[in-house]
Amino acid sequence: GENVEQHPSTLSVQEGDSAVIKCTYSDSASNYFPWYKQELGKGPQLIIDIRSNVGEKKDQRIAVTLNKTAKHFSLHITETQPEDSAVYFCAVHNAGNMLTFGGGTRLMVKP
Amino acid sequence: DTGVSQNPRHKITKRGQNVTFRCDPISEHNRLYWYRQTLGQGPEFLTYFQNEAQLEKSRLLSDRFSAERPKGSFSTLEIQRTEQGDSAMYLCASSLSISNQPQHFGDGTRLSIL
Repeated sequence: GENVEQHPSTLSVQEGDSAVIKCTYSDSASNYFPWYKQELGKGPQLIIDIRSNVGEKKDQRIAVTLNKTAKHFSLHITETQPEDSAVYFCAVHNAGNMLTFGGGTRLMVKP
Repeated sequence: DTGVSQNPRHKITKRGQNVTFRCDPISEHNRLYWYRQTLGQGPEFLTYFQNEAQLEKSRLLSDRFSAERPKGSFSTLEIQRTEQGDSAMYLCASSLSISNQPQHFGDGTRLSIL
């Protein structure tokens, strides 16, 4: 089955700096890659996604890049704010219509 | 705009008891998914429905677990004879059935087994 690795597991940045989270996956047939933000006591919230026919997608301070050949994709958050502090998960959608999640990254933005 | 709704939010029960959780998906979504999330881990897929048909089940879904979606709207997840290892957050998500559509999650039911 699909295997998704996510790095780093924790990330601490100063407010205003950028944060980058990286994921690799194993199934070359995977074609949809969402990112979720999860705050304490809440469910995962979709923040951005990318499909395999696109290399990069941006939404305000958040961007995702995809390298299908290398089977990796990354989340970039610019001008981080304290409210960006949360756990972020990458996920990979396969032909079985299920999501396989990475292990998560705890992002801490220090004011 | 009503999102995915899960009830109850918290459930505390003794080992060996049966528990049932409910999920109400976004109204126009015909796919409904159940995931389990343990502390410090990402969610793990359990099962999914398209309308009332259960189309896929993970090997994580032991025979003590059963899920239903009788009218293709809300779904229930029942765990019989609960064990300590069942303690987790149970998450429900829904999506449209068009290819590669985002799954939207509820806030989960946190199950604690005493």
